[in-house]
Amino acid sequence: DVKVTQSSRYLVKRTGEKVFLECVQDMDHENMFWYRQDPGLGLRLIYFSYDVKMKEKGDIPEGYSVSREKKERFSLILESASTNQTSMYLCASSWLLAYEQYFGPGTRLTVT
Amino acid sequence: KNEVEQSPQNLTAQEGEFITINCSYSVGISALHWLQQHPGGGIVSLFMLSSGKKKHGRLIATINIQEKHSSLHITASHPRDSAVYICAGLTLYSGGGADGLTFGKGTHLIIQP
Repeated sequence: DVKVTQSSRYLVKRTGEKVFLECVQDMDHENMFWYRQDPGLGLRLIYFSYDVKMKEKGDIPEGYSVSREKKERFSLILESASTNQTSMYLCASSWLLAYEQYFGPGTRLTVT
Repeated sequence: KNEVEQSPQNLTAQEGEFITINCSYSVGISALHWLQQHPGGGIVSLFMLSSGKKKHGRLIATINIQEKHSSLHITASHPRDSAVYICAGLTLYSGGGADGLTFGKGTHLIIQP
């Protein structure tokens, strides 16, 4: 079974802090994704990566950066957290882009 | 820009009823992904289909490529089916690449005992 894990289920940070969200998958998947989910807006793609050190912007990359130094690990970085980044963050991975994605449990981030 | 529209937004039904959730999508989307999200956040992949019909237990997903429409059906619904159901469209490019998923806003399903 594919397992996608995220570093925290709940996180509370202050405005201006640098925030790291980590995602690890154990199935040697090529592709990894970061989404945020907000009420009424659904899931929106922030960034995805199709290989180590490779990344592509999604629909809402502003205020975020990502890092993929190892195939199994994809990090989302909030350089200077703001209150409008309070959200549920979901990581996913897939073998190929055309294949189904497997999701982690999510991290609920609150920025105060 | 690719679009995915889901309906209904909210659905409340009695246990045992046959449930249908609909998803319409724009030109450019090649495959549909149905996801289930339970309270607490976890998302589970139910189906990915680009043609025809798939069945898993009491869940059935169909897609009509000509009409750009997909449906998710739940037979003999049960309170444990209560969740948010999300359809997501995937764009595949002829060169072999693909885009990220475009998500519908979700259908909040409640099955009452």
